[in-house]
Amino acid sequence: KQEVTQIPAALSVPEGENLVLNCSFTDSAIYNLQWFRQDPGKGLTSLLLIQSSQREQTSGRLNASLDKSSGRSTLYIAASQPGDSATYLCARSRSARQLTFGSGTQLTVLP
Amino acid sequence: NAGVTQTPKFQVLKTGQSMTLQCAQDMNHNSMYWYRQDPGMGLRLIYYSASEGTTDKGEVPNGYNVSRLNKREFSLRLESAAPSQTSVYFCASSSAGAYNEQFFGPGTRLTVL
Repeated sequence: KQEVTQIPAALSVPEGENLVLNCSFTDSAIYNLQWFRQDPGKGLTSLLLIQSSQREQTSGRLNASLDKSSGRSTLYIAASQPGDSATYLCARSRSARQLTFGSGTQLTVLP
Repeated sequence: NAGVTQTPKFQVLKTGQSMTLQCAQDMNHNSMYWYRQDPGMGLRLIYYSASEGTTDKGEVPNGYNVSRLNKREFSLRLESAAPSQTSVYFCASSSAGAYNEQFFGPGTRLTVL
C-alpha cells in the first residue's frame, strides 16, 4: 500500500525555471513532513521539515508547504540551477519515530 | 562533526553468509534507524531504536537483527543472507526534541549472490 505518493516520477526543466514538486499522503494524521534530496549513489540530505502545526517552511530558494486537510505537500524551487539536479523525496511521520517515504521525483535541470 | 557514518560502503555476499553493518552518530541523538532502499519501493524501515537499550521492528524486519550497542552505535546483522536482501541500506538518527528530523548516513550497497 503506497501511503505517500510523489508525482511526477521524473521532471526535466531548463535552467532558471521555477518548479513545484508534489507529495500526497493518504490520511491527515501527521506529526511532521520532511523533504530530502538524494544525489546518485549518495545518502539523503534533509532540506526542510514542516511540523504538523505549521503551513510552510523556507530555506533559500526552497519553500515547502503543507495542507493537512487535503493530504498534500509541495516543494517549490525558485530559479532552478543544474546543481539542483537530484532525486527529491518526501516523507511523512505519523508519530515521533517512523517516517514513510514516497518513491521520489528525479529532477534534471538542463543548462 | 562527522554526522552519521556507516561501514562498509560496499559488500558482496554469497547466499547463506552472515555480516554486520555498522552505524555510528556523533550528534548525541537518542533515536536511530535502519532503512533499506529498493528501486520503485522507496525507503522502508527495518528496525529502529528510540533510545539506548530499546529496539523495535519496522515495516520489513524479517531476516534482520539489530543491536543498540550504546547511544552512538546501532548495528544491523544479516544472519543468513538471501538474494532478496540485495539493497542499499541507510542508517539514520534523530533527536527527540527536534520533531524527529532525521539525518542519514551515506549508505551501504549490499549485493547477495
